[in-house]
Amino acid sequence: GENVEQHPSTLSVQEGDSAVIKCTYSDSASNYFPWYKQELGKRPQLIIDIRSNVGEKKDQRIAVTLNKTAKHFSLHITETQPEDSAVYFCAAPRLYSGGGADGLTFGKGTHLIIQP
Amino acid sequence: KAGVTQTPRYLIKTRGQQVTLSCSPISGHRSVSWYQQTPGQGLQFLFEYFSETQRNKGNFPGRFSGRQFSNSRSEMNVSTLELGDSALYLCASSAGTGGVGELFFGEGSRLTVL
Repeated sequence: GENVEQHPSTLSVQEGDSAVIKCTYSDSASNYFPWYKQELGKRPQLIIDIRSNVGEKKDQRIAVTLNKTAKHFSLHITETQPEDSAVYFCAAPRLYSGGGADGLTFGKGTHLIIQP
Repeated sequence: KAGVTQTPRYLIKTRGQQVTLSCSPISGHRSVSWYQQTPGQGLQFLFEYFSETQRNKGNFPGRFSGRQFSNSRSEMNVSTLELGDSALYLCASSAGTGGVGELFFGEGSRLTVL
């Protein structure tokens, strides 16, 4: 099955600096890569996703890049703010024979700490 | 539009007991998936139901089971509880199958096994 590795497990950055979180996946057939943010005590929420037909996607201060050859994708947050402090999870689809997907395999998460 | 609702939010059980958790998806969503969240393992896929059918199951023992009703509501059951089953159980709904689009998570059911 799909294996998703995420690094680093903890990332501390100064407010205003950029943060980068990296993930690798194992199944070359994977075609959808979402990122979820989970604030303390709250539910995970989708913040951005990318499909395999594009290499980069941006939404204001957040961007995701995808390198299908190397099988890795990254989350970039610029001009970090205190409200960016949370745990971030990358994910890839659980593929089954026939080309469908029935859920997500998540990375183990990155605890992003924004230092004032 | 109401979000994903999970009940109960908190529960305490003892080893050997069984537990049933409930999830009501967003209206119109046909897919409900379940994930176990623990500090050490992160979010782990349990199973997904789409139109009352479960395709594959995550790497969990047979003590973990579930079902989906015709109104898309879902339940998961854990029998013969073990200490290691203590976790936050998250339900998520999506319009299509859970591996190709946004998952909308509930607030979770926090299970403590003593």
